[in-house]
Amino acid sequence: EAGVTQSPTHLIKTRGQQATLRCSPISGHTSVYWYQQALGLGLQFLLWYDEGEERNRGNFPPRFSGRQFPNYSSELNVNALELEDSALYLCASRGRTGSTDTQYFGPGTRLTVL
Amino acid sequence: QQQVKQSPQSLIVQKGGISIINCAYENTAFDYFPWYQQFPGKGPALLIAIRPDVSEKKEGRFTISFNKSAKQFSLHIMDSQPGDSATYFCAASYGFQKLVFGTGTRLLVSP
Repeated sequence: EAGVTQSPTHLIKTRGQQATLRCSPISGHTSVYWYQQALGLGLQFLLWYDEGEERNRGNFPPRFSGRQFPNYSSELNVNALELEDSALYLCASRGRTGSTDTQYFGPGTRLTVL
Repeated sequence: QQQVKQSPQSLIVQKGGISIINCAYENTAFDYFPWYQQFPGKGPALLIAIRPDVSEKKEGRFTISFNKSAKQFSLHIMDSQPGDSATYFCAASYGFQKLVFGTGTRLLVSP
């Protein structure tokens, strides 16, 4: 069974630009979570999508947004990039059967803002 | 209330020794407590998880001990191996909501 996939692996942008990060959940999983792992700040919750709807968002500015598509894949958009947005962005998916609490993480997208 | 406090920040253990990482939480609504292992450049991988109705769970060399009254839980790695050298995160959640992570423990197992 394929795991959570994320693209691109690395992304380099300049301040003020927009970044789009993509996530494909494990087949059959309907929930997608986004987390930011910035150096020295640990893993911080960004967004949760389930069945195409945004269910919760973390304490991040509206520049951070996203969506979930009918095939349950998801996109994270970061507008007006700032230097402190440089981080590893992790996507996790969760299913509705089996271990329904478990969030399975992808390898992440490393975003660097210059 | 949403914080999960993790200690120590870093840990050095000799091969074959026991690694112990501790976490504490405040929010009594939390009902799921996973531990994740993360290697450099990789995403976190689930190691083991526990619910508050169980005081201990063991999977291979990894054991979670859970103390509901003290609102604390810990990870024990028995017979620690150099391959266990990684960063470990405890976390907590409730009702399929977001995971609230501890700050991480960098474990180094010396050969």
